[in-house]
Amino acid sequence: GENVEQHPSTLSVQEGDSAVIKCTYSDSASNYFPWYKQELGKGPQLIIDIRSNVGEKKDQRIAVTLNKTAKHFSLHITETQPEDSAVYFCAAYSGGGADGLTFGKGTHLIIQP
Amino acid sequence: DTAVSQTPKYLVTQMGNDKSIKCEQNLGHDTMYWYKQDSKKFLKIMFSYNNKELIINETVPNRFSPKSPDKAHLNLHINSLELGDSAVYFCASSPYGQLIGGYTFGSGTRLTVV
Repeated sequence: GENVEQHPSTLSVQEGDSAVIKCTYSDSASNYFPWYKQELGKGPQLIIDIRSNVGEKKDQRIAVTLNKTAKHFSLHITETQPEDSAVYFCAAYSGGGADGLTFGKGTHLIIQP
Repeated sequence: DTAVSQTPKYLVTQMGNDKSIKCEQNLGHDTMYWYKQDSKKFLKIMFSYNNKELIINETVPNRFSPKSPDKAHLNLHINSLELGDSAVYFCASSPYGQLIGGYTFGSGTRLTVV
């Protein structure tokens, strides 16, 4: 089955700086890569996703890049703000139909004022 | 109007008891899931139901049984609770075969077994 590795486990950056979280996956058949943000006491929420036929996708301060050859994808957050503090999860999907997403172990992002 | 709602939000119970967690989605999605999040925040899939048919059962003990009366509901029943069952359980839903928009998660049920 799919295996997703995520780094770092904790990331502390100064407010206004950029943050980068990296993930690798094992199954070359994976074709969909979402990122989720989980705030304290809440469920994960989708913030951005990318499909395997696209190399990069941007949404305001958030961008995701995908390198299919190397089987890795990254989340980039620019101009970080205090409300960006949360746990971020990457995930990969390789199955058809109702197969589940495989999640990375999460990155605790801390924005220092 | 909550898209995926699960109850209760908190559940404290003694070892050996039987308990249920309920989940409902009003998104019209065909597939619903249960995920377990441990103390280290790791999210692991437990079950997936598509149109009342179990699709995945990832080596979960048979003390856990999902029950889906209709495609908008997927409840989780747990027999003979153990200390190691303490975790946060998340329900989620998605359209069948389409992950545009990804999963929609509920807000979680924190289960504590004492």
